[in-house]
Amino acid sequence: QVQLVGSGGGVVQPGRSLRLSCAASGFTFSNYGMHWVRQAPGKGLEWVAVISYDGSNKYYADSVKGRFTISRDNSKNTLYLQMNSLRAEDTALFYCAKDTTIFGVASAFDYWGQGTLVTVSS
Amino acid sequence: QSVLTQPPSVSGAPGQRVSISCTGSSSNIGAGYDAHWYQQLPGTAPKLLIYGNSNRPSGVPDRFSGSKSGTSASLAITGLQAEDEADYYCQSYDNRLSGSVFGGGTKLTVL
Repeated sequence: QVQLVGSGGGVVQPGRSLRLSCAASGFTFSNYGMHWVRQAPGKGLEWVAVISYDGSNKYYADSVKGRFTISRDNSKNTLYLQMNSLRAEDTALFYCAKDTTIFGVASAFDYWGQGTLVTVSS
Repeated sequence: QSVLTQPPSVSGAPGQRVSISCTGSSSNIGAGYDAHWYQQLPGTAPKLLIYGNSNRPSGVPDRFSGSKSGTSASLAITGLQAEDEADYYCQSYDNRLSGSVFGGGTKLTVL
């Protein structure tokens, strides 16, 4: 069965960096686009970033562009999100999600991880 | 302010039918991009409920159905059950933003 296990969250001071990981299993990781989606406490879902199956195409929400970098290691079946210059408003539960296609554009997210919590506070 | 607009809440009695709207614009649903729907039960990760406007993944009851017309999409739930009480989100792609977008979410209360 498909499993997405996120890790790397924690409490970090404003302006600092954090790297999230998402370990995938139960499907051919290198055949699918992957996303990060976040949810601030008590708020709705916000799409953060997408990476194509081979890592050649990446797109970001305006709110994180220039600060966050999505990447993947297909040899390790792992998705990453490098978050720099963190702000209080980045505090959220970060979900990794599998796309239904190779490019991850205009398609649905069919499996989600359990979420990893990032808290930005001094 | 979400790019896709949903009502904050809807409610219905057990056995009734409810509908949740998702209004977009000419750069997302109106541009021909599909709408997808997710169910988020309290304290859990979202789950894909409807993809490609009207398709149900395996295991999703046929009480759930989706449709799309013009710049909007809708999710209908018939035969409401207590277990349907959750938050529901629509999602599509926006070519002006070059990324996926979500609606603000709708909280369904089963009375």
